[in-house]
Amino acid sequence: DQQVKQNSPSLSVQEGRISILNCDYTNSMFDYFLWYKKYPAEGPTFLISISSIKDKNEDGRFTVFLNKSAKHLSLHIVPSQPGDSAVYFCAASATNTGTASKLTFGTGTRLQVTL
Amino acid sequence: EAGVTQFPSHSVIEKGQTVTLRCDPISGHDNLYWYRRVMGKEIKFLLHFVKESKQDESGMPNNRFLAERTGGTYSTLKVQPAELEDSGVYFCASSQGRAGGYTFGSGTRLTVV
Repeated sequence: DQQVKQNSPSLSVQEGRISILNCDYTNSMFDYFLWYKKYPAEGPTFLISISSIKDKNEDGRFTVFLNKSAKHLSLHIVPSQPGDSAVYFCAASATNTGTASKLTFGTGTRLQVTL
Repeated sequence: EAGVTQFPSHSVIEKGQTVTLRCDPISGHDNLYWYRRVMGKEIKFLLHFVKESKQDESGMPNNRFLAERTGGTYSTLKVQPAELEDSGVYFCASSQGRAGGYTFGSGTRLTVV
C-alpha cells in the first residue's frame, strides 16, 4: 500500500522551460511534505519543504504547491537547467504522531533537462 | 562540517552470510535514521534512533536485521543471515530537529548473491 505516489517515472524538459513534478498522497495524517533530489551514487539531498498550513513555498527557482483537498503536491522548477537532471523524490511526514521525523517516500521521477 | 559517512560503499555477499553496515552521522546530530531502496522502488524507512535509543523501528523487515547505535554516536546495521531480497541501497541520515533537516549519506549498495 503506497501512501505517496509519483506516477510519472520520468520527465524530459528543455533547458529554460518549466519542469513540473507531481506527487499524490493518500494518508490524511501527513502534514509536512518534502522534495529531495538524488544524483547517481549519492544520497538524496533536501530541496524544499512545505507545511500543511501553507499552500505554496518558494526558494529561488523551486516552488512547491500543496493542494490538501486533492492530496496533491507539485514541484515547479523555473527555469530548468541541465544540472537539475536527477531523480526527484517526494516525501511526507505526519508530525503529530510522536515519531515526527519518519518520512514516507514516493518512487521518484527522473528529470532530464535537455539542451 | 563533515557529512554523513557510510561504510562500505558496496558489499557483495553470498546468501546466508552476515554483513554489517556502518553509519557515522554528523557530529552532534541526535537523530539517526536508516532507510532502504530496493530495485528502483521507493525509499523505505527502517528505523530511527534518538541518541542511543530506538525511537521507531516499525520499518525493520524481520529479526534478521539488527541495528545498534553505540553511545549515541555511530550506528551499525547487521543483516544475519542475508537473503536475496535484502539486496538494495541502504541509506543512513541524521538530523538535529524535525524532518527536512535530514542529511543523507551516499548509501551502501548491498548485493546478495
